[in-house]
Amino acid sequence: RKEVEQDPGPFNVPEGATVAFNCTYSNSASQSFFWYRQDCRKEPKLLMSVYSSGNEDGRFTAQLNRASQYISLLIRDSKLSDSATYLCVVNKLDSGAGSYQLTFGKGTKLSVIP
Amino acid sequence: EAGVAQSPRYKIIEKRQSVAFWCNPISGHATLYWYQQILGQGPKLLIQFQNNGVVDDSQLPKDRFSAERLKGVDSTLKIQPAKLEDSAVYLCASSYQTSGLVDEQFFGPGTRLTVL
Repeated sequence: RKEVEQDPGPFNVPEGATVAFNCTYSNSASQSFFWYRQDCRKEPKLLMSVYSSGNEDGRFTAQLNRASQYISLLIRDSKLSDSATYLCVVNKLDSGAGSYQLTFGKGTKLSVIP
Repeated sequence: EAGVAQSPRYKIIEKRQSVAFWCNPISGHATLYWYQQILGQGPKLLIQFQNNGVVDDSQLPKDRFSAERLKGVDSTLKIQPAKLEDSAVYLCASSYQTSGLVDEQFFGPGTRLTVL
């Protein structure tokens, strides 16, 4: 099983639609979780952190289920500007290196269509 | 606030040649990361520095890749000799991280390497 697994998509949705992305991770010792956004030919940027209780930022809602090792991102009222690749990111302590290490999923591509 | 700077933005070389990338992190950020992002995949960590010391280089192909962070600020990543499979975007990131807790990583624009 891959460390961080995402449906690569692409997800093609009309403006105003609600879309959900899922992500699973294999290491139960993972401690922090994030969604990063990457526009075409650009660098990744932090979209939001994911907290155990779930969190919301405007049209974006992130959920974490530690028991199932599952993270989700919900986008409501999709805008054209939401078109991007969404990267699921998991942080764990690498005991061998003695450092925290981020592991990125391959990303899910979203295209919002007029 | 200035972001993470990288150069060059693009580089085309032939296999077996050498190449070097440069990164200047955000001022005051103790931790610097180099990632490799192959087309269609997420970034993969190559090496992590805390100030001028290496924290994690477990995924760095040390037979051909090397990196240094002189004086705990700028960093260079070198590939010698390059292979076709090294074609990728090389991303530099930095974070304020001091306690081992992961905080936000800020990425530079990347260097797009093509090996012919």
